[in-house]
Amino acid sequence: GAGVSQSPRYKVAKRGQDVALRCDPISGHVSLFWYQQALGQGPEFLTYFQNEAQLDKSGLPSDRFFAERPEGSVSTLKIQRTQQEDSAVYLCASSLGGGNEKLFFGSGTQLSVL
Amino acid sequence: GIQVEQSPPDLILQEGANSTLRCNFSDSVNNLQWFHQNPWGQLINLFYIPSGTKQNGRLSATTVATERYSLLYISSSQTTDSGVYFCAAGAVRGYSTLTFGKGTMLLVSP
Repeated sequence: GAGVSQSPRYKVAKRGQDVALRCDPISGHVSLFWYQQALGQGPEFLTYFQNEAQLDKSGLPSDRFFAERPEGSVSTLKIQRTQQEDSAVYLCASSLGGGNEKLFFGSGTQLSVL
Repeated sequence: GIQVEQSPPDLILQEGANSTLRCNFSDSVNNLQWFHQNPWGQLINLFYIPSGTKQNGRLSATTVATERYSLLYISSSQTTDSGVYFCAAGAVRGYSTLTFGKGTMLLVSP
């Protein structure tokens, strides 16, 4: 696609519900990143994929967070048993290669947990 | 991990003014990028600049890696430049994950 696409744009969940956030990176991009952005803060790293391999998941805040990229393109970030502190904007980004390259972000999914 | 500090935290300018935003980082980097987050939340990549100087229209950036800082220059500012500017750095050690600063919020008034 022309850019990184994320869906849904907004998600409201009741505390305890499971949610799944989708990211469709730029076609052909090898690297895919998930970031979490709280209000008024900079994005914080969650996890990194190179093709289908999850090379770094050190930023995932708890075992309720799980990410996958099974075919090396589309990725899903799943949050189980959502809590109010999970409310944030979840940003997906991709880059062409596996190294240090220009990063392109999607518009994000704004998650509100009530 | 690497620490990234940006200054100033907030900046108010009149249209037409120039400004300089600074980013300091605590470790050697092989990845340094500047982003603009518009009022709708979209992060736009302005520069990939681990070292040296680049220019793109009214914007330019310089990274002095040996002294661990980067500068973003905005000349002849316009109201559409308003938003939050983020610097993000990736340390030489480890994967190419970027650590973001807290940003500089810029408001350009007509």
